[in-house]
Amino acid sequence: QSVLTQPPSASGTPGQRVTISCSGNSANIGNNYVSWFQQFPGKAPKLLIYKTRQRPSGVPDRFSGSKSGTSASLAISDFRSEDEADYHCAAWDDKLSGVVFGGGTRVTAL
Amino acid sequence: QVQLQESGPGLVRPSETLSLNCSVSGDSIRSGTHYWGWIRQPPGKGLEWIGNIYETGATYYNPSLKSRVTIFEDSSRNQISLKLSSVTAADTAVYYCARLDCDGGACYSVIYFFMAVWGRGTTVTVSS
Repeated sequence: QSVLTQPPSASGTPGQRVTISCSGNSANIGNNYVSWFQQFPGKAPKLLIYKTRQRPSGVPDRFSGSKSGTSASLAISDFRSEDEADYHCAAWDDKLSGVVFGGGTRVTAL
Repeated sequence: QVQLQESGPGLVRPSETLSLNCSVSGDSIRSGTHYWGWIRQPPGKGLEWIGNIYETGATYYNPSLKSRVTIFEDSSRNQISLKLSSVTAADTAVYYCARLDCDGGACYSVIYFFMAVWGRGTTVTVSS
């Protein structure tokens, strides 16, 4: 059971906006930055979003992160078939004094 | 460009100690600007944080693994190493090492660092 809660799956039509949620509590998302990672099957995760809403260089601006209270979201605008992957959220947890992850969300194209 | 490469036995017997290395190229583990971490992913499951280490030797461990985990550095080989004792089948996973970066001025605490660069991972199976 992951500390952060993500829906196991999500889907979208090419060109559509897809949103993935990540729910936590005041010890993690509510008080700390959130990171998002993209992972293709058989590959290592890749940093997509850091400090809740910052994109590393090379990440398309179609990907955006946000947070409200104890929940965070990753939005993929203009969804493309190449965006089909697993997406994981993470945050520092003050009570556990460590990093906690969500269970991951598999995004597929309709 | 920094690269991380995990290595170690692909098969470990139950109750034994799992030992993995992460070789770092293109950066020094003693640069003073990064943390280094280990993360694992059991088959078909999500990511699980194992622990972080800073060049001072300061470590942070997942509470659920703390009694069995040791992360340490070998600066002569520019490697970060992981030892996990008394393994069971539940420790079967792909193990990743990562470099944690900080962006901006608030870099005085581990809570501001994020997993920016990942190795390709190495698969470890615990079985007799």
